[in-house]
Amino acid sequence: DAGVIQSPRHEVTEMGQEVTLRCKPISGHNSLFWYRQTMMRGLELLIYFNNNVPIDDSGMPEDRFSAKMPNASFSTLKIQPSEPRDSAVYFCASSLPLDSPQETQYFGPGTRLLVL
Amino acid sequence: GQNIDQPTEMTATEGAIVQINCTYQTSGFNGLFWYQQHAGEAPTFLSYNVLDGLEEKGRFSSFLSRSKGYSYLLLKELQMKDSASYLCAVSNQAGTALIFGKGTTLSVSS
Repeated sequence: DAGVIQSPRHEVTEMGQEVTLRCKPISGHNSLFWYRQTMMRGLELLIYFNNNVPIDDSGMPEDRFSAKMPNASFSTLKIQPSEPRDSAVYFCASSLPLDSPQETQYFGPGTRLLVL
Repeated sequence: GQNIDQPTEMTATEGAIVQINCTYQTSGFNGLFWYQQHAGEAPTFLSYNVLDGLEEKGRFSSFLSRSKGYSYLLLKELQMKDSASYLCAVSNQAGTALIFGKGTTLSVSS
């Protein structure tokens, strides 16, 4: 059974360029989360969706970040324009409906982003 | 505000027992999770507590005291492969996302 799939696994880009990260959640999972992890700040929630609808985007740093979930099996996180401080590991996670007794989240392998 | 505290680093030797503590202050409580994250990999689920007491799962156990806002993860018979970061996370309300602590990096030596 496939887990959460993310692409690309690594991305190196130059400041000012657009970056698009992709995620395919586990089939049947209704909730999808985007996180950013750095040594300084740990694992931070950026945005999460329930049934393809954004529920909480208060963690999105600024207007340069946007996320979409056009259907139950695909989501994107876009950074435009990218800046060096965006360098981090970006994780996508999915879970069963949030009103289930145990909202265990399953993480994808992450995308390591380096903005030069 | 929401706050989750855990030690930054811990060290232990093979075969020993180690306890990783986590304290939390959140606006609500709907369960506490422990995740394991090896260097360069994704976090993986270890345990879940919603009621007070101890949950045992093989070499790993997790304890919760809701009145004290406190949990610990107990690792027995440590192995080298247990060297990893251990993340404490709280669900403060059903229907919302988890709040993660910054993690405790455990180093197991022979």
